[in-house]
Amino acid sequence: NAGVTQTPKFQVLKTGQSMTLQCAQDMNHNSMYWYRQDPGMGLRLIYYSASEGTTDKGEVPNGYNVSRLNKREFSLRLESAAPSQTSVYFCASYDRVNEKLFFGSGTQLSVL
Amino acid sequence: AQTVTQSQPEMSVQEAETVTLSCTYDTSENNYYLFWYKQPPSRQMILVIRQEAYKQQNATENRFSVNFQKAAKSFSLKISDSQLGDTAMYFCAFMKPLGTDKLIFGTGTRLQVFP
Repeated sequence: NAGVTQTPKFQVLKTGQSMTLQCAQDMNHNSMYWYRQDPGMGLRLIYYSASEGTTDKGEVPNGYNVSRLNKREFSLRLESAAPSQTSVYFCASYDRVNEKLFFGSGTQLSVL
Repeated sequence: AQTVTQSQPEMSVQEAETVTLSCTYDTSENNYYLFWYKQPPSRQMILVIRQEAYKQQNATENRFSVNFQKAAKSFSLKISDSQLGDTAMYFCAFMKPLGTDKLIFGTGTRLQVFP
């Protein structure tokens, strides 16, 4: 039981490059989330998905896209990275039955 | 839209003393969950305590307890007998359940426990 797996753990991009952050959970959870964490800003919700095939915007969705093609995976895509997207990104999933939230270990992203 | 406010960016407490972290939120919902999460330097997110809005009794977990005031939309965390290992960032969070599961966090309070 691996929990929530995020890849990569570290990434450096140049402005304008694109990339996809991968997130997978093996706990059969319906709800999944993407957050970014910046100093003094806490964790801000980028997008979330309450079930397979559905996604909703969070607090800071601009510049990001997400994909929930199956129950297990929820990916976050930066189409044209900007320095303002330098942050630590966390993926999470929620167990409605036991009411527990599980976090991935985070991705440190730097955009130069 | 729901918002979560933590007005204390930093707090400090001496070992074995008690400290209270503040959190207020804004929502028009009647049923929701509130959480406190701890984030040590390892960046791991650790659940400290959870409160269901329909429960009037305040949640407790060992040295951690909350003061939940639904009418005032306040959800403070009290840490008793503070330990050095309690040093971390603490985040208050609000969840709107029943299908959407939208979860938002406050800006966090950095707690330093001194020996």
